[in-house]
Amino acid sequence: DSGVTQTPKHLITATGQRVTLRCSPRSGDLSVYWYQQSLDQGLQFLIQYYNGEERAKGNILERFSAQQFPDLHSELNLSSLELGDSALYFCASSVEGKGIYEQYFGPGTRLTVT
Amino acid sequence: AQSVTQLGSHVSVSEGALVLLRCNYSSSVPPYLFWYVQYPNQGLQLLLKYTSAATLVKGINGFEAEFKKSETSFHLTKPSAHMSDAAEYFCAVSSWRGSASKIIFGSGTRLSIRP
Repeated sequence: DSGVTQTPKHLITATGQRVTLRCSPRSGDLSVYWYQQSLDQGLQFLIQYYNGEERAKGNILERFSAQQFPDLHSELNLSSLELGDSALYFCASSVEGKGIYEQYFGPGTRLTVT
Repeated sequence: AQSVTQLGSHVSVSEGALVLLRCNYSSSVPPYLFWYVQYPNQGLQLLLKYTSAATLVKGINGFEAEFKKSETSFHLTKPSAHMSDAAEYFCAVSSWRGSASKIIFGSGTRLSIRP
């Protein structure tokens, strides 16, 4: 158990809909990262937050957005969903925002868009 | 710009044989390097990391990796494979510049163990 929790574990929704994925980092970790993992794209970094502020952006679509709240949990919002958005979405946390610290991954949310 | 290349999307070895998973990186600044393992239906778990201390890094489950700057490599090895090592392995590179950092993952290598 990494100490990172993600809800829900599975999500099935229809095209055009909007969903919210939730992540609680390990106790004491200030930095949260979001990743998308699919068979064709592999593991893609989406976005990083550090202590409530956006720190780095990766291959995140404009239809996707995220935020980190004062209690440090984070939410990833996916809107106007397309079939290609079906994937595993992972959240990870680290002690702080610098890349020298390892990331601890949650169990993931499997999103299926039908 | 940073990048990481994992050679071989699928590696198969016999139980008890040497495991060698290859990773080459590209970085214009001193890198931090990681190996992660992902078991089926689970998140990624850190195996080991290199942060400019010893070039030979020992990790969990008997794995180790050697940082070779001249070859820009960080290959993962284990002397004797177990059935429980079957999983997907990801190499990652990161660096810290100013106020931002980013970790780049390789495309992964699926390790299969033959009885």
